[in-house]
Amino acid sequence: ETGVTQSPTHLIKTRGQQVTLRCSSQSGHNTVSWYQQALGQGPQFIFQYYREEENGRGNFPPRFSGLQFPNYSSELNVNALELDDSALYLCASSLDGTSVGEQFFGPGTRLTVL
Amino acid sequence: GEDVEQSLFLSVREGDSSVINCTYTDSSSTYLYWYKQEPGAGLQLLTYIFSNMDMKQDQRLTVLLNKKDKHLSLRIADTQTGDSAIYFCADRMDSSYKLIFGSGTRLLVRP
Repeated sequence: ETGVTQSPTHLIKTRGQQVTLRCSSQSGHNTVSWYQQALGQGPQFIFQYYREEENGRGNFPPRFSGLQFPNYSSELNVNALELDDSALYLCASSLDGTSVGEQFFGPGTRLTVL
Repeated sequence: GEDVEQSLFLSVREGDSSVINCTYTDSSSTYLYWYKQEPGAGLQLLTYIFSNMDMKQDQRLTVLLNKKDKHLSLRIADTQTGDSAIYFCADRMDSSYKLIFGSGTRLLVRP
């Protein structure tokens, strides 16, 4: 069974640029959630996708957007990068329909905005 | 609003028990989770408890839930140096897969 993978591992961008982060869900999982973890903080929920549709969103501006593909892999896109976007971005996959809804996290992408 | 609070730091001696505490504000919690994060890594799910349970034991881990006080704890028996990490509790609200995380408790295990 393949776990959750994310790419790239690290990324450096400058203010105003755009970035795309990628996530491959654990085999058999149809739901993916994205979280932003600033240094020294817990993860903050960005949004969730279920069967290619956005299924819930946290307090993030519209310049944070996402996609989920038919194979349940996912992208997080951030436009007009700001310095405060520097963080570890985590994706988590889960299988909808299970009452526990355990979310399994990938290793994350470390984004630095200069 | 939804909030999860944790103490920032805990230091224990190897072989002792560790108890990490968490409080939450949400009244409609369904499941509460404990995750472990090692330096430079993602989050590893350790265990979870359903909101109508008081206790769950899983090998060296014991989770206690006091729903009246909205207090959750994680006890690690026979703590080892490999247990040194940041531990997050997370709250899942009713009918949602959104997890609300605390800021994490850094556990340091001294030899």
